[in-house]
Amino acid sequence: DIQMTQSPSFLSASIGDRVTIACQASQDVKKYLNWYQQKPGKAPKLLISDASNLETEVPSRFSGTGSGTDFTLTISSLQPDDIATYFCQQYDDLLLTFGPGTKVDFK
Amino acid sequence: EVQLVESGGGLVKPGGSLRLSCAASGFTIGSYSMNWVRQAPGKGLQWVSSISGSGKYTHYADSVKGRFTMSRDNAKNSVSLQMNSLRADDTAVYYCVRGLIRGILDFWGQGSLLAVSS
Repeated sequence: DIQMTQSPSFLSASIGDRVTIACQASQDVKKYLNWYQQKPGKAPKLLISDASNLETEVPSRFSGTGSGTDFTLTISSLQPDDIATYFCQQYDDLLLTFGPGTKVDFK
Repeated sequence: EVQLVESGGGLVKPGGSLRLSCAASGFTIGSYSMNWVRQAPGKGLQWVSSISGSGKYTHYADSVKGRFTMSRDNAKNSVSLQMNSLRADDTAVYYCVRGLIRGILDFWGQGSLLAVSS
């Protein structure tokens, strides 16, 4: 089974900072990598699909890059509404695996 | 408006059974795969199971294979998860999630809490 790792586990930043979260797969997942945002007490929300496709109504300050085993989620200018935990997720051979998550908070 | 509403969660003793249901509205589930994803308290997300649009194919995480069964009723626009031989580590919020191609989970319900404890 494909394993997913994320770094860092926790990130503290200031409003307006550029924030980068890394996600790594144990095997090649091509571009089948999605990113989700989860706010406390809420269900996750799809942000980016297929590594770089921004979902409708997701602010353009979010972007995703990568393919194969290494992927990145970037928030170009951190806003108060972005405080959340971010999960990556891969799809391979009909099985889905999530990364452990990166919690983003204010410094 | 797309909605997924889970029901059926609660407190169950180890070894017991429970059935979760998910009622969909605002779209026809027969056109989508459907999934269950769970989240233990304070932990990350774990995919549990999926079912194809026709209901012909189901897939399960190794941790629940043989104990959980996912089904769908396209006429009622709903899916269910029958959970047997429950263990303490099944304790989690269970989310019903709509799936697109390539495992994209595009819409999530608000979740239903299952607690397994004696």
